[in-house]
Formats: sequence, C-alpha cells, structure tokens
Amino acid sequence: DVKVTQSSRYLVKRTGEKVFLECVQDMDHENMFWYRQDPGLGLRLIYFSYDVKMKEKGDIPEGYSVSREKKERFSLILESASTNQTSMYLCASSSPGLRAYEQYFGPGTRLTVT
Amino acid sequence: DAKTTQPPSMDCAEGRAANLPCNHSTISGNEYVYWYRQIHSQGPQYIIHGLKNNETNEMASLIITEDRKSSTLILPHATLRDTAVYYCIGPLENFGNEKLTFGTGTRLTIIP
Repeated sequence: DVKVTQSSRYLVKRTGEKVFLECVQDMDHENMFWYRQDPGLGLRLIYFSYDVKMKEKGDIPEGYSVSREKKERFSLILESASTNQTSMYLCASSSPGLRAYEQYFGPGTRLTVT
Repeated sequence: DAKTTQPPSMDCAEGRAANLPCNHSTISGNEYVYWYRQIHSQGPQYIIHGLKNNETNEMASLIITEDRKSSTLILPHATLRDTAVYYCIGPLENFGNEKLTFGTGTRLTIIP
C-alpha cells in the first residue's frame, strides 16, 4: 500500500522558533508538494519539488523554505514561526507527467504557533 | 481561481447512489477533470479522472457530458464512510505541469 508519512500529527511551537516538518514517501515518486489548509481558504500550495535538490515556489512561499536532499524526503522549514502560520500542513507526492495530478497525501500536521 | 463549480453541500441516504455534479464550462482540448475527496481530519484522496469518456474504478464512476462542460461523480452505494468533502479539479492539461486548485468542494453527508 502506498504511503506518505509526516513526522507529527500535532505540533505546538512558540513564536520565533524554527520549525521543521518532515515528509517521507515510499513510492519512489519524483514530485513532492507542501500545502497548507485553512478554513474557508482551501488547500494552498507552498512549495513543490520535481527532483532531488530542486524546488519551485507555489502560491504562498513567504515565510517558508524547503529542502529535498533525498528523493523520498521533503522537508518544510518555518524559519521563524509566526502565529499566522498556525494551520494544517499537508504533504503529497506523485509521479511525473499526467500522473502528476494523482497526488498521494499524508495525514497532515496540525501546527499551532503560540 | 477555481475553474469548476460545485454545490456547497449534499445529503444522500446510506445505500443509495450519491451523484455529485460539477460544472467546468471552460474545458477545452485535451484537458482533464480530476476528483478528490477529503474525509475529516485526513489528507485528500484521489478518486478518479476523465477526459471525455465515462470512467469507472473501484471507488466511483465519472460521467462526462458530451459537450464536456460538466460531469457527475457517482458513488454507487454510499456508506457512512463516504461522508467527506468532494473536490472537482480542472480543467488540467495533459502535461502534468499545472497546480491542483482545490476549491471549496461539495460537502457530502451520508444519512443513516
């Protein structure tokens, strides 16, 4: 069974802390994505990566960075967490080409910044 | 901006077929429509996609109108576990280089 795992389901951090969210997929997918989901705003794409060490900005990259050192792992970094980054964070992966639209999502990390 | 239109909510009796409509009037050429769902407290789940022919898999059927401007996702025998928000996404080109835009979807509630 295909699987995308995220390091934590729930996380509480303080304002100003550096936060790392980890995502691992076991499907050998080239593409990996980070979204955030907020009530009334739907899912919004933060960053994505088509290959190791490659990254592309999504719709809302400000305040975030990413790292992809290995194919199976895609990390989202909040350099200095702020309260407006309190959200549900979802990681996804997919194959390239047309199958890029068949994304497999992890269970999500609910991050609270206080 | 989402290029699809869905009703905000629907109810369906358990065991009946759930029919979820979607309008995508700007669709053209080799553009696809994708369906996802998100059960409460889980990540979205891919269901099915189509171009112009009707499609069926183990989860659902997708009926696309002849003019391709609308489609209907059918869950043939809805169960309580099908209660979720259903997203119709598209139109998407067949190169795989577009972003998925999740709108507000249809909140489907299966009634016991």
